[in-house]
Amino acid sequence: NAGVMQNPRHLVRRRGQEARLRCSPMKGHSHVYWYRQLPEEGLKFMVYLQKENIIDESGMPKERFSAEFPKEGPSILRIQQVVRGDSAAYFCASRNYYEQYFGPGTRLTVT
Amino acid sequence: GIQVEQSPPDLILQEGANSTLRCNFSDSVNNLQWFHQNPWGQLINLFYIPSGTKQNGRLSATTVATERYSLLYISSSQTTDSGVYFCAVAPNTGTASKLTFGTGTRLQVTL
Repeated sequence: NAGVMQNPRHLVRRRGQEARLRCSPMKGHSHVYWYRQLPEEGLKFMVYLQKENIIDESGMPKERFSAEFPKEGPSILRIQQVVRGDSAAYFCASRNYYEQYFGPGTRLTVT
Repeated sequence: GIQVEQSPPDLILQEGANSTLRCNFSDSVNNLQWFHQNPWGQLINLFYIPSGTKQNGRLSATTVATERYSLLYISSSQTTDSGVYFCAVAPNTGTASKLTFGTGTRLQVTL
């Protein structure tokens, strides 16, 4: 049973470019969460989605960040006009009932 | 929002020693999970334990929901146990929700 998959695993972007991070949940899971981990810190919730719906985006920065989970295909976290402070590890998690399972993360470096 | 505190923040053990990590939380929960983040940054699910006791090999966990704390026990520690241990909780709102992470316990196991 494949786990949560994320790609790319590492992403380097110059300031001002766009970053697209992808997450495929575990088979049978229809709930997806995105979390961000800044260097030497714990994970912080960003957004919670079900298929075609954003359920809770209380942790998302108001500008430049967006997320979607279309009917077909992976969930996408999009960061426009990246800045150095966006450098972090971005983790996706999925669940069926209560327990959340995490992907390996995407490490974004903004130069 | 719900608060999560972990102790100790740092722990150095010799191989073969036992340890207890603690997680205190400020409200009733319907989800409590323990994770191990290894030195490569991957988050590994250890336990889903909103209440009760579970064991998995050298690891065990106990959550006393009425007193709002959870303990993770590591016995006969090995160097591969090194990394950061996170406790994460979701409040008991009637629906499964985002996880709030503690700041972690950084464990180093030496030979």
